[in-house]
Amino acid sequence: ILNVEQSPQSLHVQEGDSTNFTCSFPSSNFYALHWYRWETAKSPEALFVMTLNGDEKKKGRISATLNTKEGYSYLYIKGSQPEDSATYLCAFGTGTASKLTFGTGTRLQVTL
Amino acid sequence: DTAVSQTPKYLVTQMGNDKSIKCEQNLGHDTMYWYKQDSKKFLKIMFSYNNKELIINETVPNRFSPKSPDKAHLNLHINSLELGDSAVYFCASSLRDQPQHFGDGTRLSIL
Repeated sequence: ILNVEQSPQSLHVQEGDSTNFTCSFPSSNFYALHWYRWETAKSPEALFVMTLNGDEKKKGRISATLNTKEGYSYLYIKGSQPEDSATYLCAFGTGTASKLTFGTGTRLQVTL
Repeated sequence: DTAVSQTPKYLVTQMGNDKSIKCEQNLGHDTMYWYKQDSKKFLKIMFSYNNKELIINETVPNRFSPKSPDKAHLNLHINSLELGDSAVYFCASSLRDQPQHFGDGTRLSIL
């Protein structure tokens, strides 16, 4: 059983704060690490797919880094806005590339 | 212009019934998936098809049977529904190992 853990479980920040969360995954048999953003009453939306150790990806105010040797990825949000409020999921892909094991997510709430 | 659409959105039925959930994608993807979101909010893979061929078949009761008539469709048929089948089921699609695009989910409630 693959263990993909995310921390913290939930986070409450104020508008303008920068924040980050962690995704931990097995360091062996790594293929890819996905990040998704999941707003309430909507479906998960892809943010990043990272495959190489040391990868850094950026999309607007959101960025992510990847360390496959130690088995973790960080997601950063700079200058949080209320519309960033969502659950952020990471998913670990191994071997058969299409098979993802999801973490339980970090629930972010941004208030004014 | 929904990219991945599932029907129905809500399904309320009695224990023992047989039901189907349909999924269609218009993104030209070659791989489709079914996930179950359990009571702890985990998204767990159930099945995956690539070009109509089953490539992932997790430990799922054989009451669950996926069917992919073509690359754009992946339906899920469930026989003899049980209380424990109550969950939200998500369909997704991708180009092999690229980001997955999800449908809005089907909330299945067993009475």
